[in-house]
Amino acid sequence: NAGVTQTPKFRILKIGQSMTLQCTQDMNHNYMYWYRQDPGMGLKLIYYSVGAGITDKGEVPNGYNVSRSTTEDFPLRLELAAPSQTSVYFCASSYLGGGPDTQYFGPGTRLTVL
Amino acid sequence: DAKTTQPPSMDCAEGRAANLPCNHSTISGNEYVYWYRQIHSQGPQYIIHGLKNNETNEMASLIITEDRKSSTLILPHATLRDTAVYYCIVRVDNQGGKLIFGQGTELSVKP
Repeated sequence: NAGVTQTPKFRILKIGQSMTLQCTQDMNHNYMYWYRQDPGMGLKLIYYSVGAGITDKGEVPNGYNVSRSTTEDFPLRLELAAPSQTSVYFCASSYLGGGPDTQYFGPGTRLTVL
Repeated sequence: DAKTTQPPSMDCAEGRAANLPCNHSTISGNEYVYWYRQIHSQGPQYIIHGLKNNETNEMASLIITEDRKSSTLILPHATLRDTAVYYCIVRVDNQGGKLIFGQGTELSVKP
């Protein structure tokens, strides 16, 4: 299994531009998550999904949108990029249905907004 | 805000045990203690978790005090590759949702 994959690895955006961060998992996990991590800080949850067609806000959802049309994919959309969105973005997935609720993380996307 | 308190940094000699403390004085009866680590800005990695009994796996041991207000993660023979930020997280199990990451402890393993 590839686990959780994210594309792109790096991206530089200009203020006001839009982009989609891609996230795919091949572990048939029902839950998926998007976190952001600012320099020297812990991760903060942006959005999460409990299954295809169901999403919910996390701690810092403003400026972002998500969709979950399949079990495998959970893209994160930035509509009007702002310098405050400069961060490292991590996607994660987990399976809830008995056993430990362990989240598996992707390698991250490093985004700079100038 | 994170419900845990950890020292910001610790050093450990290679080959020695690393003992990372965590205070969680407001933990509820149904909340588990989870430990993750993050190596050099990679995605966080699950290490271990427990409710009230001590736990051990191939990576580490977790010691939880009887009153559950604190715990210690033990890496029995630390290597240079264990240099990372270690996060202690408390949460209700099997309900999905967010992991609340605090600042964590930056562990430096030195030769």
